[in-house]
Amino acid sequence: QVQVVESGGGVVQPGGSVRLSCAASGFSFTSYGFHWVRQAPGKGLEWVAFIRHDGSHTHDTDSVKGRFTFSRDNSKNMVYLQMNGLRVEDTAVYYCVKEGFYYMDVWGKGTTVTVSS
Amino acid sequence: QTVVTQEPSFSVSPGGTVTLTCGLTSGSVSTTHYPSWYQQTPGQAPRTLIYSTNTRSSGVPDRFSGSILGNKAALTITGAQADDESAYYCVLYMGATWVFGGGTTLTVL
Repeated sequence: QVQVVESGGGVVQPGGSVRLSCAASGFSFTSYGFHWVRQAPGKGLEWVAFIRHDGSHTHDTDSVKGRFTFSRDNSKNMVYLQMNGLRVEDTAVYYCVKEGFYYMDVWGKGTTVTVSS
Repeated sequence: QTVVTQEPSFSVSPGGTVTLTCGLTSGSVSTTHYPSWYQQTPGQAPRTLIYSTNTRSSGVPDRFSGSILGNKAALTITGAQADDESAYYCVLYMGATWVFGGGTTLTVL
């Protein structure tokens, strides 16, 4: 079945880095883009970024510009979120989401990133 | 900066009908924003309910429907059930970016 599974979360110090991975299966990976969505503890959902099916373009929200980068490996059916210069306010559950037609289609269960000293 | 607005909370009686809305602090919501709706219960990942204004995602009961009402997108739940008690989020496509509303917590009582 269609599935996306995130991994790579953990505890990191402010200013540190972490790379999240998203493994996708059950569909034609190279035909779809992916969103990253995050949710801070007790808060609502926040769209973070989108990477196109071929990785040619990415779009991201202002709060992560210059700190987060987004990539994919179409040979491995993997999507990545490289997070640098982490701040306490980046603490959140990060969801990888397969794209639909201008919407978020299939959600992973999320991986938690905690930024704390 | 344009913000997507939702009612913070709403309540509905079992079997009742409720309409949640999704607006913009500046301007009107239209089909070109491709409004979509997501349901989330505590501790769980969101679930996609509605996309492209009014198309139900696979497996979503037909008691959930989407529309444009005036200058807002709307999610209507007809015949609310206890397990509809959740947070509901709308998302609007803003041209290369997507913006979530703050979410509506729906209580069924």
